[in-house]
Amino acid sequence: DIVMTQSPDSLAVSLGERATINCKSSQSVLHSSNNKNYFAWYQQKPGQPPNLLIYWASTRESGVPDRFSGSGSGTDFTLTISSLQAEDVAVYYCQQYYSTPPTFGQGTKLEIK
Amino acid sequence: QVQLQESGPGLVKPSETLSLTCTVSGGSISNYYWSWIRQLPGKGLEWIGYIYYSGSTNYNPSLKSRVTISVDTSKNQFSLKLSSVTAADTAVYYCAREKWELLPFFDYWGQGALVTVSS
Repeated sequence: DIVMTQSPDSLAVSLGERATINCKSSQSVLHSSNNKNYFAWYQQKPGQPPNLLIYWASTRESGVPDRFSGSGSGTDFTLTISSLQAEDVAVYYCQQYYSTPPTFGQGTKLEIK
Repeated sequence: QVQLQESGPGLVKPSETLSLTCTVSGGSISNYYWSWIRQLPGKGLEWIGYIYYSGSTNYNPSLKSRVTISVDTSKNQFSLKLSSVTAADTAVYYCAREKWELLPFFDYWGQGALVTVSS
């Protein structure tokens, strides 16, 4: 299985400031046939299921605010929230769908400083 | 708007079989892949397996010997059975839809069903 490792485990950022979460996969999730990274980010708020934010490493899901952006390729990826809002407090998960079984990171808890 | 809803017993005894059903509303179960995913207490997410509306399945090798996923297109439902459960299977179980065929990332999720394994 591909192991996904997120850093940090928790993060506190002031409102309006930038938040950055990293994820590293144990092997590349870049598919050579189409040059796409089989990688997604989710946001999970307390008592709710995960919500898809980004797929193909950098494509925002419909309805996701543009303050959320994804970057990276191969084995190293980053989720950036450009200006933190109170409603962004959540746990964020990365996921690879390059190979079966799809696997998730352990989560990064984002709080307000 | 597609909605998914898990249903089933919230308490299962050790060694018995966990059974959950996911009802899809607001859209057809056809032409999509549907997964079960669980979240262990205080921990991350684990993919259990998927089913296509035609009935083809794929399971996580770590659970394959104990998992059966089935579909009932007439009811717009799919179901999970996990046999020989132990306390380690206590989790919130989610059903979810793959956004695109054979690309297992998930755009619609149920609210989740907490299943506790205890005597």
